Amino acid sequence: EADIYQTPRYLVIGTGKKITLECSQTMGHDKMYWYQQDPGMELHLIHYSYGVNSTEKGDLSSESTVSRIRTEHFPLTLESARPSHTSQYLCASSEWFSGSSSETQYFGPGTRLLVL
Amino acid sequence: QKEVEQNSGPLSVPEGAIASLNCTYSDRGSQSFFWYRQYSGKSPELIMFIYSNGDKEDGRFTAQLNKASQYVSLLIRDSQPSDSATYLCAVNFMYSGGGADGLTFGKGTHLIIQP
Repeated sequence: EADIYQTPRYLVIGTGKKITLECSQTMGHDKMYWYQQDPGMELHLIHYSYGVNSTEKGDLSSESTVSRIRTEHFPLTLESARPSHTSQYLCASSEWFSGSSSETQYFGPGTRLLVL
Repeated sequence: QKEVEQNSGPLSVPEGAIASLNCTYSDRGSQSFFWYRQYSGKSPELIMFIYSNGDKEDGRFTAQLNKASQYVSLLIRDSQPSDSATYLCAVNFMYSGGGADGLTFGKGTHLIIQP
């Protein structure tokens, strides 16, 4: 089981502010992900990383950016928050099992963002 | 196109009965399949995974995989009100070169266990 931490858990902020959502994992997983999920709706992949210095955009276009300078850390930044950014943001990391050629994802607790 | 299809529900099951959740996927070459449970306002948690055709049992949960039919299901025996949640099916689609391309999630099935 992976240990994944996200901070803050809840954030209320005004329009136009710059915010960074933190995500850290202690399992040495190479692949990490950011998902966005509105209440009662499906998961949308917004960013992922294969490892240090790797960042890729996901299926859903997002105004956020990510960085991966250290294996354990994958922060997400919004330069100028807007009410449309109000959502839950979920970080995940994955473990690769070569024997079964499969990848298992583990999720952090999430950050609930409210932009006023 | 990678697709994972689930009936969104809600699926209502009386307490103590068997809840059956279904999922179909588009890529016949997919190797591994996962079921996550997500309580309202919480993050998804892994319940179980299955790689081989047939059944895999873990406590009250049984995953069933039929690769020929591109179908995976989750059975919950002796359903409890605490099982009420959204259940997400996820599939590891494979690159043509053999590497896995993350997980593709279905939209989830909302399960309600009625006391």
